[in-house]
Amino acid sequence: EAGVAQSPRYKIIEKRQSVAFWCNPISGHATLYWYQQILGQGPKLLIQFQNNGVVDDSQLPKDRFSAERLKGVDSTLKIQPAKLEDSAVYLCASSPLARPSGAYNEQFFGPGTRLTVL
Amino acid sequence: AQKITQTQPGMFVQEKEAVTLDCTYDTSDQSYGLFWYKQPSSGEMIFLIYQGSYDEQNATEGRYSLNFQKARKSANLVISASQLGDSAMYFCAMRPGSARQLTFGSGTQLTVLP
Repeated sequence: EAGVAQSPRYKIIEKRQSVAFWCNPISGHATLYWYQQILGQGPKLLIQFQNNGVVDDSQLPKDRFSAERLKGVDSTLKIQPAKLEDSAVYLCASSPLARPSGAYNEQFFGPGTRLTVL
Repeated sequence: AQKITQTQPGMFVQEKEAVTLDCTYDTSDQSYGLFWYKQPSSGEMIFLIYQGSYDEQNATEGRYSLNFQKARKSANLVISASQLGDSAMYFCAMRPGSARQLTFGSGTQLTVLP
């Protein structure tokens, strides 16, 4: 079974530029997550999709970040314009249909995209 | 609000020895799940083990076991017979009953010495 795919693996841009990341989840997984992981910290959820609908985007800086999941499969995360503090690894994860709260629901992570903003 | 605390930024262990990575959590929910992930230098998060708040027995997965002490709100990871390939960042995470997403701790960098 193929894992979660992400591209690009690395991206270097200057501040105020735009950037987009792509994620292809595991086939059949209804739930897709985007996390931001700043160096030295644990991942922080940015947005969660279930199929092509947004479940939680409370921690997404909506003035500059946007995400979409077309047809409930692939997803793109965009930053426009980028700031220095956006330098981080952006992780995409997917899981089968979300189960009731507290129940086991393993998330499978992709390799991440390392963004450097100069 | 939920919080995960990992107080060990870095740990060293000799190959073939056991090591315990600490994790404490804070939640007001009665139902929750606790997870440990491994993140090697390649960056991918690898799921290791899961413990549900109502599970009466400590979870085990091969060389990994979770020492779950509910009253103390701790969920320490024990790795037995460490191997060089175990060198990585280890993250503790929680999925509380009222939320859908994982909340991660700050991680522990484990280095296995030959």
